Amino acid sequence: EVQLLESGGGLVQPGGSLRLSCAASGFTFSSYAMNWVRQAPGKGLEWVSTISGSGGSTYHADSVKGRFTISRDNSKNTLYLQMNSLRAEDTAVFYCAKGGALPVAEPFDYWGQGTLVTVSS
Amino acid sequence: QLVLTQSPSASASLGASVKLTCTLSSGHSRYAIAWHQQQPEKGPRYLMNLNSDGSHTKGDGIPDRFSGSSSGAERYLTISSLQSEDEADYYCQTWGTGIQVFGGGTKLTVL
Repeated sequence: EVQLLESGGGLVQPGGSLRLSCAASGFTFSSYAMNWVRQAPGKGLEWVSTISGSGGSTYHADSVKGRFTISRDNSKNTLYLQMNSLRAEDTAVFYCAKGGALPVAEPFDYWGQGTLVTVSS
Repeated sequence: QLVLTQSPSASASLGASVKLTCTLSSGHSRYAIAWHQQQPEKGPRYLMNLNSDGSHTKGDGIPDRFSGSSSGAERYLTISSLQSEDEADYYCQTWGTGIQVFGGGTKLTVL
């Protein structure tokens, strides 16, 4: 059974940093692209970042480019999102989602339950 | 620009059928999409991948009541024999060069 468990969310001040983690199990982690998607309160889904199975290719939405960095540790079956220079508009539930074998070419077929990030002073 | 357009809301009666629409932007009519369901206070759930020819592959455990079809730039999700637990937000998703895109979502109310 595929399981994705996010952690690391919390309250952070504007301009601060936070690192999210997503522990994966139930599939061969290194064979699949992984993704972060966020959802602001009362809003729809917004793609944030994608990383290939090897970690060699990464993609970020324009709204987070230069501030957020996606990475993975295939030896630990864990996905990360390093978030710097956080803004109030980054407040959202962040979801980890499993992609296909090819990054940015296949749908997300499993999702985690999300972790809440609140950016406020 | 790759954009997905969805109606903000839809409603149908318990036991009836409903057809939700996701429209691809001009020049992208051959793109495949995915449908996801998000029940209240839960994470999204993958329903299916839907190709431009209407062929679709459903996710694990998705009931036969859920089906997909396509016509031109439009992608449809049909839910038959509506149940109370089908009341949820439904999102379409597609992908392009270096990006992933979500539609704005349709809130389905089961009357």
